[in-house]
Amino acid sequence: GEDVEQSLFLSVREGDSSVINCTYTDSSSTYLYWYKQEPGAGLQLLTYIFSNMDMKQDQRLTVLLNKKDKHLSLRIADTQTGDSAIYFCAESKNRDDKIIFGKGTRLHILP
Amino acid sequence: NAGVTQTPKFQVLKTGQSMTLQCAQDMNHNSMYWYRQDPGMGLRLIYYSASEGTTDKGEVPNGYNVSRLNKREFSLRLESAAPSQTSVYFCASMPPGTGDFPLHFGNGTRLTVT
Repeated sequence: GEDVEQSLFLSVREGDSSVINCTYTDSSSTYLYWYKQEPGAGLQLLTYIFSNMDMKQDQRLTVLLNKKDKHLSLRIADTQTGDSAIYFCAESKNRDDKIIFGKGTRLHILP
Repeated sequence: NAGVTQTPKFQVLKTGQSMTLQCAQDMNHNSMYWYRQDPGMGLRLIYYSASEGTTDKGEVPNGYNVSRLNKREFSLRLESAAPSQTSVYFCASMPPGTGDFPLHFGNGTRLTVT
């Protein structure tokens, strides 16, 4: 079955890098996503990676994929107070297929 | 262009009452989804619809029904509400094609069942 696991909380000092980790069980997952949810709002796509890629960088965001270990990570460089949110890892087999989300990691920024 | 619109924003029901959560998107998207979000549980897929006229069960479909009325609208119905259905419900849609494919979310419906 499909399952996506991530730790529930992460605290990081402002200016440091944040690394949020995720593991998934379905080896046929083709699309892997990171979504951000700010308080009282819906989710917004931050970035995504295809399963045939190892890394994707987008400004302060770096996504690393270890397909052998089914491990995905999101690194946020120079973490700012505006990065405080819940970050969801998600996966799907096909583009229009159902998308399965993890429980979300709440990122707390320390001054 | 309003994106994904959910109504109502808030609702309180008594156990056993029924209601329909409405969702509409004006972006000509094919795929639409209903999720529920509970503390410590993340988002769980209730039902989804890959195209007009088709619906499929997600992870937690029991106690819910859906209707894909047309391409724009995807409604979620609770026939006999239970306290376990107290949650925040999110509707989402996905654009067609092979380009960028962010899942567009509505702002949610907060439902309390007493």
